[in-house]
Amino acid sequence: DVKVTQSSRYLVKRTGEKVFLECVQDMDHENMFWYRQDPGLGLRLIYFSYDVKMKEKGDIPEGYSVSREKKERFSLILESASTNQTSMYLCASSPQSLPLGPEDGNTIYFGEGSWLTVV
Amino acid sequence: AQTVTQSQPEMSVQEAETVTLSCTYDTSESDYYLFWYKQPPSRQMILVIRQEAYKQQNATENRFSVNFQKAAKSFSLKISDSQLGDAAMYFCAYRRRGTYKYIFGTGTRLKVLA
Repeated sequence: DVKVTQSSRYLVKRTGEKVFLECVQDMDHENMFWYRQDPGLGLRLIYFSYDVKMKEKGDIPEGYSVSREKKERFSLILESASTNQTSMYLCASSPQSLPLGPEDGNTIYFGEGSWLTVV
Repeated sequence: AQTVTQSQPEMSVQEAETVTLSCTYDTSESDYYLFWYKQPPSRQMILVIRQEAYKQQNATENRFSVNFQKAAKSFSLKISDSQLGDAAMYFCAYRRRGTYKYIFGTGTRLKVLA
């Protein structure tokens, strides 16, 4: 089974602190994602990485950065945490999608989530 | 831009009964996938069922089945013989084939009543 592990389930941080959320996957997936989940808004993509050291902005990248130094690890960084970043953060991974390849009905695998409260 | 809409924030069903969760989507693409994901309380989100747009036959996984209406852009999930363990948040999602980006709906919280 695919395992996506988020190192911290519950965190409480102060406004202005630098926050690191770590994620590790064990299936050699090329793609890794960070989502934010808020009630009534569903899942919103913060950042995406399709390879080591490669990243793309998602729909809500402001206030966040990411790091992918190794294939299995994808970190989300809040440079200066603010109260509006209180949320649940979901890490996910998936195999590579090839536009011209064979059927790529692969899916995305999620971690258990990290609940972040910024006070 | 593609969008996914789940118009039911919350649903309830009696144990052993059947419930249908609604999902509509908007896309101009013809080749895509649709998914239903389940997120139990404080637990990992997992895939329930997947549908390829080019397949006319509705996907089925045990007690879970979908009603895929491509022309109407509708993708509902039917849960038969509901069990207490089915209580969860359910998300509908879309992904265009060959791309990485998943578009998620806002979710439907399903309560199962004993």
